[in-house]
Order: sequence, then structure tokens, then C-alpha cells
Amino acid sequence: GIQVEQSPPDLILQEGANSTLRCNFSDSVNNLQWFHQNPWGQLINLFYIPSGTKQNGRLSATTVATERYSLLYISSSQTTDSGVYFCAYSGNTGKLIFGQGTTLQVKP
Amino acid sequence: ETGVTQTPRHLVMGMTNKKSLKCEQHLGHNAMYWYKQSAKKPLELMFVYNFKEQTENNSVPSRFSPECPNSSHLFLHLHTLQPEDSALYLCASSPGQGVEAFFGQGTRLTVV
Repeated sequence: GIQVEQSPPDLILQEGANSTLRCNFSDSVNNLQWFHQNPWGQLINLFYIPSGTKQNGRLSATTVATERYSLLYISSSQTTDSGVYFCAYSGNTGKLIFGQGTTLQVKP
Repeated sequence: ETGVTQTPRHLVMGMTNKKSLKCEQHLGHNAMYWYKQSAKKPLELMFVYNFKEQTENNSVPSRFSPECPNSSHLFLHLHTLQPEDSALYLCASSPGQGVEAFFGQGTRLTVV
């Protein structure tokens, strides 16, 4: 079946540091999204990025569909960036499948 | 606000109760989804509706019964649940299947 793997599972950063989160997927991609889950459980859309590169402030994302991976970059991290980051992917079936998430803790 | 609203936000129910979760979107989307997120686990897809028709049932036990009366509303009817069904239940919608999805705030369910 479709597999989505995220790495690392946990990440601790000092405020101001940069980080890269990775998402590997097992099939050809129709949809690739990155989410940030806040402490109340809400999933915040960060990027819809089935291919290419996008930037939004301190965050950017790149998906290389031919090599079946996506990267989320966080620059100059802040304590408010803490939380769980999910990658979700759908292939030809249209089912949006989530990875296990990366738990990020940014320390002041 | 994502445009997807879930009610209630919190629910505590006994194992013999019947309750319903509601999801509403006015984004003009045609696909709606239910996901379950248990503690320390990733989101699990439960059901998918596309143009009011169920297109996916991910081997969900029959004590969870979805209903999609129109493209804007999605319900999850709950009956005779077990304590292990306690979780965060998230609803999402998208313009079509396989396109960018937007999530509601979730309903945190506790079964006692």
C-alpha cells in the first residue's frame, strides 16, 4: 500500500536555528501537503506542493516528484514553531495519507 | 479559520450512549473526509465522500456510521463505542479527491 515516511521523528532546536524535515512517499504523487498541528489539535495548512518549490516567510518547501520526496525548511526557528509537522500525500487513489509526523521543540 | 467547522469541540460519552459529530463547510468543496487521530499515532483515514457518495470506508467498525446529506455537511454517528475509540476526530474537505484539503478544529472524544 501507499507509504509515507517522515524524518526525523523528533527534533530539538535552539531558537534561531534552521532545520529540514523530510517526507518520503512510495507512489507517484497527485497531492502533497505539509501541515503544522497546534497544541489544540488544529491542522494548519502550510504548503500544497505536489511539485516544485514554494516559500512563505521563514518556511519553504520543495517536492521532487520523480525522486518521491519532499522537504520542509524552517529558517530562524522561533518557539512558536514548536509542534508536530505532518506530511500528507495522495497518489492515484485520491486518498490523503499522513506520515507519522515530526515533533519539533524550539527552545528559547 | 479554515472554513471547515466541527461541533462539538469536546465530547464525553458512555459506552451505551448514541451521539453524533457534525462537520460543515461552505467552501463549495465536493469531497469530505473523516480522520481519527489516537494518542501517539498518525492520522488514520476513516471515510471519504465525493459528491455525497461514499467512496472509501477504511475498514471502520460499524459502531461508526457516517452520513453525508449534502456536499456541505458530514456527520459521524456514534453508538456503543469502546474506551479505545477515545481520540481526536478530524473532518476535512477538498474541491475534489486528491486536491488540497482543509481541516476542521476537530472533536476530542472521550469514551468512559
